[in-house]
Amino acid sequence: QVQVQESGPGLVKPSQTLTLTCSVSGASISSGSYYWSWIRQPAGKGLEWIGRIYTSGSTNYNPSLKSRVSFSMDASKNQFSLQLTSVTAADTAMYYCARSSCNDGVCSVLPVDWGRGTLVTVSS
Amino acid sequence: AVQMTQSPSSLSASVGDRVTITCRASEGIRNDLGWYQQKPGRAPKLLIYDTFNLQSGVPSKFSGSGSGTDFSLTISGLQPEDFATYYCLQYYDYPLTFGGGTRLEIK
Repeated sequence: QVQVQESGPGLVKPSQTLTLTCSVSGASISSGSYYWSWIRQPAGKGLEWIGRIYTSGSTNYNPSLKSRVSFSMDASKNQFSLQLTSVTAADTAMYYCARSSCNDGVCSVLPVDWGRGTLVTVSS
Repeated sequence: AVQMTQSPSSLSASVGDRVTITCRASEGIRNDLGWYQQKPGRAPKLLIYDTFNLQSGVPSKFSGSGSGTDFSLTISGLQPEDFATYYCLQYYDYPLTFGGGTRLEIK
């Protein structure tokens, strides 16, 4: 069974770059037809999909963040990462990584297996 | 982007009740809709995918229906563990978009 776990700095200063890592166990991030997503949730608010990276390394980002966000994969560590530049207080949130799944041979981008999340606070 | 309008935003119900939550998409999304349950301090848990398919391990008290632009999640025989926040998510088109959430509270 696949498990994903987020890790990151916890506290980031305004205007700096946030880097989060999602460590994957129970599956290889570079095989299969899976999508690996990042989603965030400010405290007490709803969910926002940040984007996804595919097993091939192709990416798709939410236009609301597109100019500031980038994803990467490290197959040797079985991890994928998020970088968010020029952070502000509005980026303070719980950040989740998640994997999609395939049903009856049909694979979609729908996030299925989520990590527990990592809380990021942007403050000086 | 496809906008997902979820209603109601909050709902009070009693143990044993049957409740329905709806999501309306701003354009047709075929059946590419999922429902999640989120409890405080926990990650969302997928309940329903492709509008009406029950995710493995999810009890049959949860059911989904709809197509095109209008979708619903029905929970039958509410139990204390069902009181949580529920979200819909469309994955027909990028960016994926969530509904605003429905907080289900005990009456």
